[in-house]
Amino acid sequence: QKEVEQDPGPLSVPEGAIVSLNCTYSNSAFQYFMWYRQYSRKGPELLMYTYSSGNKEDGRFTAQVDKSSKYISLFIRDSQPSDSATYLCAMTLNSGYSTLTFGKGTMLLVSP
Amino acid sequence: DVKVTQSSRYLVKRTGEKVFLECVQDMDHENMFWYRQDPGLGLRLIYFSYDVKMKEKGDIPEGYSVSREKKERFSLILESASTNQTSMYLCASSLPSGTGSSGANVLTFGAGSRLTVL
Repeated sequence: QKEVEQDPGPLSVPEGAIVSLNCTYSNSAFQYFMWYRQYSRKGPELLMYTYSSGNKEDGRFTAQVDKSSKYISLFIRDSQPSDSATYLCAMTLNSGYSTLTFGKGTMLLVSP
Repeated sequence: DVKVTQSSRYLVKRTGEKVFLECVQDMDHENMFWYRQDPGLGLRLIYFSYDVKMKEKGDIPEGYSVSREKKERFSLILESASTNQTSMYLCASSLPSGTGSSGANVLTFGAGSRLTVL
């Protein structure tokens, strides 16, 4: 079983749709969860950061963590063509000397 | 407003050549990382460094080495390039552990260096 599973997509939606992106993981010790957005031919950039279980909202973006199910989600409301990118989930054990484990990324295409 | 700079965006090299990929960050970050990104395989960690002159192997260090002589600069070296090293290489940096709950985990990436080995 892979440590972090993420559907590669592509996920195609019309402008204005609500988008749900998800990752599952196997290591119950993960505590810090992140979503990175990567535009074509660019490096990833941090979008959302959460600690342990719960929700976090930032504008049109909501990150959810369900540690009991080992499942994290990113919701995008009122999606825009500018949201078209690859979304990578990432997680780590703690804030010390541990490196991030990334999902392989989901490509999102938002059509006007 | 560039924070992590990778000097070469596109490189074409021949098999057996020695290749240097340079990365400079201007955020005074202690931690620096080199990843490669391939379709279907995602991001894979090659090497990382928590301090000057310090290095740690990541998940796929074979065929690579690194150098960190100054805090702001982290170089990836391919001693003898091979075709299976054709990839996108991404450099990243972060604050040290102990810098609050998020510092060490929040990576700032460069724009990437696309290397083709013929």
